[in-house]
Amino acid sequence: DGGITQSPKYLFRKEGQNVTLSCEQNLNHDAMYWYRQDPGQGLRLIYYSQIVNDFQKGDIAEGYSVSREKKESFPLTVTSAQKNPTAFYLCASSWTSGRADEQFFGPGTRLTVL
Amino acid sequence: GQQLNQSPQSMFIQEGEDVSMNCTSSSIFNTWLWYKQDPGEGPVLLIALYKAGELTSNGRLTAQFGITRKDSFLNISASIPSDVGIYFCAGQYNAGNMLTFGGGTRLMVKP
Repeated sequence: DGGITQSPKYLFRKEGQNVTLSCEQNLNHDAMYWYRQDPGQGLRLIYYSQIVNDFQKGDIAEGYSVSREKKESFPLTVTSAQKNPTAFYLCASSWTSGRADEQFFGPGTRLTVL
Repeated sequence: GQQLNQSPQSMFIQEGEDVSMNCTSSSIFNTWLWYKQDPGEGPVLLIALYKAGELTSNGRLTAQFGITRKDSFLNISASIPSDVGIYFCAGQYNAGNMLTFGGGTRLMVKP
């Protein structure tokens, strides 16, 4: 059963702690993306990767870091430098042709920083 | 990065009514997409539009790619309770470019 998985669904952390969100896909997609969603706003791109061992900053990369050591995995670390980390985080993947209708989303992780 | 202007921000309608929402941009896009997001889930693609003036349907949903390439519209006919959710538009300039998302329209349907 192909798809994108994100874990955990809900995550609570204390202020000042780093936290890593997991994203795995078995669609054999080359590209993967991380988005942040806040109430009343659209999705904003944090980081993306089009090939293993390479990634690019999106519109709001400050306070976040990523790695792409394997094609199927693209974990996102929310660092203590992120001023307002509480949000809903969405991972997506696609082929590198980047056709818009081939970008599939995971179920999301809701991060709450206390 | 630029965001698309999507309106209305929210709608509360009676079951059976038709719904219209739109998305506008100051820049041209060559692909327009419409997604639906159920509460606490990731967005799911509803309709993709690739040509200016194109009108595409998916069941009770109909979307149009504006002739100026700066806007798009989504209509839902005869709404039902499971239409509840947030509808997002997204634009892409060219394949390989990142998507730009609208702020979403929250739809609530009263049975």
